[in-house]
Amino acid sequence: GDSVTQMEGPVTLSEEAFLTINCTYTATGYPSLFWYVQYPGEGLQLLLKATKADDKGSNKGFEATYRKETTSFHLEKGSVQVSDSAVYFCALSPLNSGYSTLTFGKGTMLLVSP
Amino acid sequence: EAGVAQSPRYKIIEKRQSVAFWCNPISGHATLYWYQQILGQGPKLLIQFQNNGVVDDSQLPKDRFSAERLKGVDSTLKIQPAKLEDSAVYLCASSLGSIPYSYEQYFGPGTRLTVT
Repeated sequence: GDSVTQMEGPVTLSEEAFLTINCTYTATGYPSLFWYVQYPGEGLQLLLKATKADDKGSNKGFEATYRKETTSFHLEKGSVQVSDSAVYFCALSPLNSGYSTLTFGKGTMLLVSP
Repeated sequence: EAGVAQSPRYKIIEKRQSVAFWCNPISGHATLYWYQQILGQGPKLLIQFQNNGVVDDSQLPKDRFSAERLKGVDSTLKIQPAKLEDSAVYLCASSLGSIPYSYEQYFGPGTRLTVT
């Protein structure tokens, strides 16, 4: 079945450092890929998505590129802020499911210190 | 626009007791989802409704969990009797479209259940 593997956390960075959170997936065909963010005490929010190979999703300074050849969707940000501290989830949705079926990774906690 | 509302936010019960969670989706959203998020894991889908009909409940432990969506709007998820392993955050989400074109899911803040 479909699965998502993320790097384990916590990832601890100083403010303005470069961020990479690795995500790889196993799925049939060409799924859609997502990054969700969960701030303390809140629900998940969609951060960015990509629906086909080589697409780049971006939002709030975060980027991720859909790499079919390496089945990866790594999340990056050039300069993190304290307010980026949260748990980040990589997820996939099978082709033609209309995003109705989401398979999540275990999540990676990011802690940014001033 | 109001988001997905859930209540209560926190609940502590003893094992073998029953508990119910309530969700009010975003107005007009046809599809509603309940997820279970165990500490250190990603959310796992329990049940999916389209309007007031069940689309997928294959991951719902039906011997103890039940859910309904009244008039295709609000939904309740019940656990009876609870077990220690049910301790988790229960997330409700909704999306505008109807399957298979459900589009983005919007999540509520969740209910944190602790079973002692």
